Amino acid sequence: DQQVKQNSPSLSVQEGRISILNCDYTNSMFDYFLWYKKYPAEGPTFLISISSIKDKNEDGRFTVFLNKSAKHLSLHIVPSQPGDSAVYFCAASAGNAGNMLTFGGGTRLMVKP
Amino acid sequence: DAGITQSPRHKVTETGTPVTLRCHQTENHRYMYWYRQDPGHGLRLIHYSYGVKDTDKGEVSDGYSVSRSKTEDFLLTLESATSSQTSVYFCAISESGLAGGPFANTGELFFGEGSRLTVL
Repeated sequence: DQQVKQNSPSLSVQEGRISILNCDYTNSMFDYFLWYKKYPAEGPTFLISISSIKDKNEDGRFTVFLNKSAKHLSLHIVPSQPGDSAVYFCAASAGNAGNMLTFGGGTRLMVKP
Repeated sequence: DAGITQSPRHKVTETGTPVTLRCHQTENHRYMYWYRQDPGHGLRLIHYSYGVKDTDKGEVSDGYSVSRSKTEDFLLTLESATSSQTSVYFCAISESGLAGGPFANTGELFFGEGSRLTVL
């Protein structure tokens, strides 16, 4: 059973608008969450992270929100740009599990000009 | 960019043959990982290493073995490849062993460019 789920396999957004990517998790031991971005034929690259002691972390156009009671996090991209078109993976780790990350299935974001 | 090199980048092989994928890093990071990426499953951890000769199983370790005789190299071996092992394999490295811990780095992983393996 997947402990980290991204229920939307794809998302299409107009350039300049907001992109919202969602992620749900089931393991209450997860205390650190990350988002990775992946372009075709490349490895994933780290985008942004959030600790469970926070409910929001912002880095430029990217903001991650964490709702621990709902076991839900989301990534907001504002404004969306065509270069943001990629697959986005949500990942989670538990502090007592070393650096083992559990990934979601990914959401393909397409930003249309 | 972190110095991670995977080889081979592409390989086609037949069922039952042995396959070894190599991951080489120049960052001197302690932790190394092998993930596989499959549609709908995202990235799943196969094995990881927390030091020379120190390895442990991940979520999908059956049918795979690993070895790490040097800090910079982490090998993934399929002793007898099966069609279900057709996938894209990613090596990753990390300096920190405590993702998000108060005395750790951010704990994010740095990934290689992937090795696409097709087992016929």
